[in-house]
Amino acid sequence: EAAVTQSPRNKVTVTGGNVTLSCRQTNSHNYMYWYRQDTGHGLRLIHYSYGAGNLQIGDVPDGYKATRTTQEDFFLLLELASPSQTSLYFCASSPRLGGDNYAEQFFGPGTRLTVL
Amino acid sequence: QQKVQQSPESLSVPEGGMASFNCTSSDRNFQYFWWYRQHSGEGPKALMSIFSDGDKKEGRFTAHLNKASLHVSLHIRDSQPSDSALYFCAASEEGYKLTFGTGTSLLVDP
Repeated sequence: EAAVTQSPRNKVTVTGGNVTLSCRQTNSHNYMYWYRQDTGHGLRLIHYSYGAGNLQIGDVPDGYKATRTTQEDFFLLLELASPSQTSLYFCASSPRLGGDNYAEQFFGPGTRLTVL
Repeated sequence: QQKVQQSPESLSVPEGGMASFNCTSSDRNFQYFWWYRQHSGEGPKALMSIFSDGDKKEGRFTAHLNKASLHVSLHIRDSQPSDSALYFCAASEEGYKLTFGTGTSLLVDP
């Protein structure tokens, strides 16, 4: 089964602070995604990537940057954190399209971020 | 506007009972549908996919898709306490980027 790890698992910062969330997948998946999960909204896509050096804008990108440094590593950056970014953040990865694996995404355990 | 709507918001069934979830999309470009399950404190995990009209059965789980009405459902028979979780419907246009619904919380009473 695909392995996706995230760090840190919990983070508290202050308004205006600088935060980096890290994600690593060890299954050579091409696609990686960053989501935020909020009650009443489900999971919303922030940014995603097709591969190292590639970045695509998701549905709720404002206030977030992302960078895919390698096939394995995908980072989410909050350069001026605001209380509205307090949320549970998930990273996911999925393999190249084909066979029966269309769009199956494998999720990490999540990072809970609190912005005071 | 939420492109993928789920109902109900929460559901409680007795152990051994049937749990049913509904999902409706407002975007006719969606071609691929998934059900994901999330236990408390964990990330979501894919439960099953359905891409063609009709029923798809995997063990105690049955999904149904009607592309004409953009409606997909999930039914769990013989529900177990371990099925208590958040259930998400997810839809995709091109096969990889997913749009998730708001989720249904299931509680199975032992």
